Amino acid sequence: QSVLTQPPSASGTPGQRVTISCSGGSSNIGSNAVRWYQHLPGTAPKLLIYTNTQRPSGVPDRFSGSKSGTSASLAISGLQSEDEADYYCAAWDDSLNGWVFGGGTKLTVL
Amino acid sequence: QVQLVESGGGVVQPGRSLRLSCAASGFTFSSYGMHWVRQAPGKGLEWVAVTSYDGSDKYYVDSVKGRFTISRDSSKNTLYLQMNSLRPDDTAVYYCAKDGSPYHSGIDVWGQGTTVTVSS
Repeated sequence: QSVLTQPPSASGTPGQRVTISCSGGSSNIGSNAVRWYQHLPGTAPKLLIYTNTQRPSGVPDRFSGSKSGTSASLAISGLQSEDEADYYCAAWDDSLNGWVFGGGTKLTVL
Repeated sequence: QVQLVESGGGVVQPGRSLRLSCAASGFTFSSYGMHWVRQAPGKGLEWVAVTSYDGSDKYYVDSVKGRFTISRDSSKNTLYLQMNSLRPDDTAVYYCAKDGSPYHSGIDVWGQGTTVTVSS
């Protein structure tokens, strides 16, 4: 059971907008910044969003992040086939003194 | 560009030890915190440990405390994970990752991973 809760799966058709949620608590998302990662099996995970809403250079602006209270969300607009991957949220947890990840959401592009 | 190359994975019996290495290049290794993260077969990502830029601060996930030790050698630009008393549930792909700060503000670059299998 992961400390951060994500839906196990999400799907959409090309061009659609999909949102992935990440629910935590006061010791993690409620008091620290959230990061989002994209992971294609067999490859190195990739940073998509840091400090809740910021995109590293090279990440398309189709990807956006938000945070409210103890929850965060990743939105992907203009869905493309290459977006099919696993997505993880992460945050530092002040009670555990460590990083915690969500269980991951498998995104399928129909 | 930043490169992280893990090595040292393999098959090991329960109760034995293994040391993973991560060769870093393309950035000033001694200025950044470094992490290990693992992914068990069919499971999600699990953070394992982090060390600060100078090795003075280290944190671990509860399940590896007392068994795993993270360390770094800035003269060799290399990160290590010493894993003792290995258990079957330590079986996973282990990723080396660079933090975006000298401490533990969060991972910004990952390696490709090395596979550890604990089995008799």
